[in-house]
Amino acid sequence: EVQLVESGGGLVKPGGSLRLSCVVSGFTFSNFSMNWVRQAPGKGLEWVSTINAGGGSTYYADSVKGRFTISRDNSKNTLYLQMNSLRAEDTAVYYCAKDGGVTIFGLVLIARYFDLWGRGTLVTVS
Amino acid sequence: DIVMTQTPLSLSVTPGQPASISCKSSQSLLHSDGKTYLSWYLQKPGQPPQLLIYEVSNRFSGVPDRFSGSGSGTDFTLKISRVEAEDVGVYYCMQSIQLPPYSFGQGTKLEIK
Repeated sequence: EVQLVESGGGLVKPGGSLRLSCVVSGFTFSNFSMNWVRQAPGKGLEWVSTINAGGGSTYYADSVKGRFTISRDNSKNTLYLQMNSLRAEDTAVYYCAKDGGVTIFGLVLIARYFDLWGRGTLVTVS
Repeated sequence: DIVMTQTPLSLSVTPGQPASISCKSSQSLLHSDGKTYLSWYLQKPGQPPQLLIYEVSNRFSGVPDRFSGSGSGTDFTLKISRVEAEDVGVYYCMQSIQLPPYSFGQGTKLEIK
């Protein structure tokens, strides 16, 4: 079964740190770019960060740049989000999402849409 | 950054009737590779988002054919030909031509009359 399971959320004080994890199964993790998307309580979706399949390229929303770090361990099928200097406005459910991937001549390229999502983990900064 | 604007922000539809959601981007989403990077997601109550449509008009695996996407450039539409009770939730469009950042529309809440 294909699934993404986030963990690591919780209550943290402003200025504190948390590390989120997303363990995946059911597909070849190392082939696909991965993403973090968050949703503040009662609000819409906000893209946070993307990492390519190999982990060598990372991208961030301006709202988290310099404070958050996305990474992955392909040997452990796990995606991470290290969150430092947390602020009240970072309070949200954080979802990991898999890139759809498009296979061309045996290579999986970034597809730029999110075909699988985890159930999310709640981060509360207060 | 590209701004995505959805209309309406809410709609109430009688089961069996059609529904339509508009999504406009502040810049063209047509990439030099020939693809247009616009996707649609549905977030049902209490659930994570799920992919409906990618690259404007491609239905994702398992998505009912009553859902269709159309548009080009900066103007896009998601249509539901006959709304069912299970279609309740918030619909989001997302642009992914620019990275960073990807960006979502504000969301459109669909309710059943």
